[in-house]
Amino acid sequence: DAGITQSPRHKVTETGTPVTLRCHQTENHRYMYWYRQDPGHGLRLIHYSYGVKDTDKGEVSDGYSVSRSKTEDFLLTLESATSSQTSVYFCAISESNRVAEAFFGQGTRLTVV
Amino acid sequence: GESVGLHLPTLSVQEGDNSIINCAYSNSASDYFIWYKQESGKGPQFIIDIRSNMDKRQGQRVTVLLNKTVKHLSLQIAATQPGDSAVYFCAESNDMRFGAGTRLTVKP
Repeated sequence: DAGITQSPRHKVTETGTPVTLRCHQTENHRYMYWYRQDPGHGLRLIHYSYGVKDTDKGEVSDGYSVSRSKTEDFLLTLESATSSQTSVYFCAISESNRVAEAFFGQGTRLTVV
Repeated sequence: GESVGLHLPTLSVQEGDNSIINCAYSNSASDYFIWYKQESGKGPQFIIDIRSNMDKRQGQRVTVLLNKTVKHLSLQIAATQPGDSAVYFCAESNDMRFGAGTRLTVKP
C-alpha cells in the first residue's frame, strides 16, 4: 500500500464540536485530496491541495476547511460538526493533478451525534 | 459539468462466471481512465488503467475496454471469485469526481 495514514480511523463526536482529521503521507506526492463517501453518492471531493499552503475547494466544501503546512500532512477540519457530516472520509494522494492516478487511505468513519 | 457515471448500481454473478461492469463518460477530452476496487471497510484501490489511444488493455483476469465513439468504458473480470466482491469505480483523468460505483456480489 502507498504510504498514507489517516487518523483517527473512527470518531464519534457531538454536534457543534470542532473535529480535525489528519492525513499523513510518506510518498512526497504533491497532490492531496479529501473525499467523503455516503451511500448513493459515491466519493465526493471536499477539498484538495496542490502544494504546501495551496488548497482549493471541491464540490462539497461547505462546513469544512483544510490546511497543509507540510508536504506530508493534510488536515481536514469541521469547525462545528453537524449530523449531516456523519460519513466516511477518505484521503488520497497523487503525484500529478490526475486524481485518477490517486492512492487512497483506509478511511475515517466519523459519526456526529 | 461533465462527469463519469455508471450504468448499473449492483451486479450479482455466480462464482466462476465472467463479470462486466460498465461506465459512461461525457468528457471527450479525457485521455486516461482508471478502474478502482473498493472492498468493504477499505479505501479504493487501483485495478487497471487505459489510455485513450488504446481500445483494450488486459491485466490479470481483468480487461478494460474503451469505446471512444460512444464514450463507454467497461471492466471485464474473468472467472469471478468471491474475493472480487466489492464496489467498482471508474475515474477519468480530467475529473476529480467518481460515480456511485457498481457493487459486485459473487454467489458461491
